[in-house]
Amino acid sequence: LQLQESGPGLVKPSETLSLICTVPGGSFNSSGYYWAWIRQAPGKGLEWIGSIYYSGSTFYNPSLKSRVRISVDMSKTQFSLRLTYVTAADTSLYYCVRHRSLGPFDMWGQGTRVTVSS
Amino acid sequence: EILLTQSPATLSVSPGERAILSCRASQSVSSSQFAWYQQKPGQTPRLLIYATSTRATGIPDRFSGSGSGTDFTLTISSLQSEDFAVYYCHQYNFWPRTFGLGTKVEIK
Repeated sequence: LQLQESGPGLVKPSETLSLICTVPGGSFNSSGYYWAWIRQAPGKGLEWIGSIYYSGSTFYNPSLKSRVRISVDMSKTQFSLRLTYVTAADTSLYYCVRHRSLGPFDMWGQGTRVTVSS
Repeated sequence: EILLTQSPATLSVSPGERAILSCRASQSVSSSQFAWYQQKPGQTPRLLIYATSTRATGIPDRFSGSGSGTDFTLTISSLQSEDFAVYYCHQYNFWPRTFGLGTKVEIK
């Protein structure tokens, strides 16, 4: 079971970054799992962006909350990230990740690199 | 927001030696909701330890975790070549979920 991120690798400043994570298998709508996005800027540490429950309830990092939206598409067993008004500071490797409500991040995608540049 | 401060930032250790990594939280965290991850260059982070001291699947027993409240420790009893990496602590007790900035374990 492997999560898979997809989306453009290059986004212009002030535009919207959009990524999709595909969840294979039947765990997507299993009770108790949250689906999250985490990013890692070049040479930096890990930053949690937000999490969504399969039912749609969300939690966001306050530092990004005004620009972030995470949503689910149950029919496609996918969840997505939208980050608006991006700047160079949003250039990162973006991971989609699974966790339980009170659980660690136990399954990670390979990550997708997004560069913000004109 | 729970701030996690890891020390040292870099730890130089010879193979076979013991490494002790520390993580201090800005407020008390439940020991049931504290974890450590390992990240090697160019690789995805891997869950090492959860619930402070429980090893994740496939993690060798030279890795051990301990602690409570605001102070947590990851110990690698005898460093192997494959253990040189960056280690992150993580709390999943509170929203927002937070990580420490990492400790790089390098070859001495």
